[in-house]
Amino acid sequence: AQTVTQSQPEMSVQEAETVTLSCTYDTSESDYYLFWYKQPPSRQMILVIRQEAYKQQNATENRFSVNFQKAAKSFSLKISDSQLGDAAMYFCAYRTPYGGATNKLIFGTGTLLAVQP
Amino acid sequence: DARVTQTPRHKVTEMGQEVTMRCQPILGHNTVFWYRQTMMQGLELLAYFRNRAPLDDSGMPKDRFSAEMPDATLATLKIQPSEPRDSAVYFCASGLRGMGGELFFGEGSRLTVL
Repeated sequence: AQTVTQSQPEMSVQEAETVTLSCTYDTSESDYYLFWYKQPPSRQMILVIRQEAYKQQNATENRFSVNFQKAAKSFSLKISDSQLGDAAMYFCAYRTPYGGATNKLIFGTGTLLAVQP
Repeated sequence: DARVTQTPRHKVTEMGQEVTMRCQPILGHNTVFWYRQTMMQGLELLAYFRNRAPLDDSGMPKDRFSAEMPDATLATLKIQPSEPRDSAVYFCASGLRGMGGELFFGEGSRLTVL
């Protein structure tokens, strides 16, 4: 069974600094999606960034980028120039491609990020 | 602005009462998921529908929970009878093949069972 592990329950960063959140996963599949979702205190789940496993290039979205290491099954999120609005719970998630019997989204336990002014 | 709509946003009820949570997926989406979030267990998948057919409800306590999609615009999650351990935030999410695997989440329904 696929699993997603986030080993950092909490992280803190100074405003304008850079922080990296870690995520590892376990799967026997070769094709899959990886995601980082953000959940602020409003509890709305917001997609931050997505990576397709068949793409070697790391995804980037403005200040957010990932370091995808397929062989190591690692998928870390880097937030550059951290802002107060980045404070939230961040979830790493894995999903098998559409077409499988069950392509559910599997979440890690989350990392709570605090941003210090 | 397309979004997943969940009702109610908040529900407080007494143990033993029936609770029904509703979800309107984004128009055109053909997959719908129900997740439960608690501090202890994190995000747990309860049920998964594709084209209105239930594909996976292995995470759902069958004796008291039921999930249905009466039509493509409505998904329901029912708890009968409710228990204090059911207190959680329940999320509905929808998606569509070809959208890169992304799921779009509703704002959640916070349930408190006294």
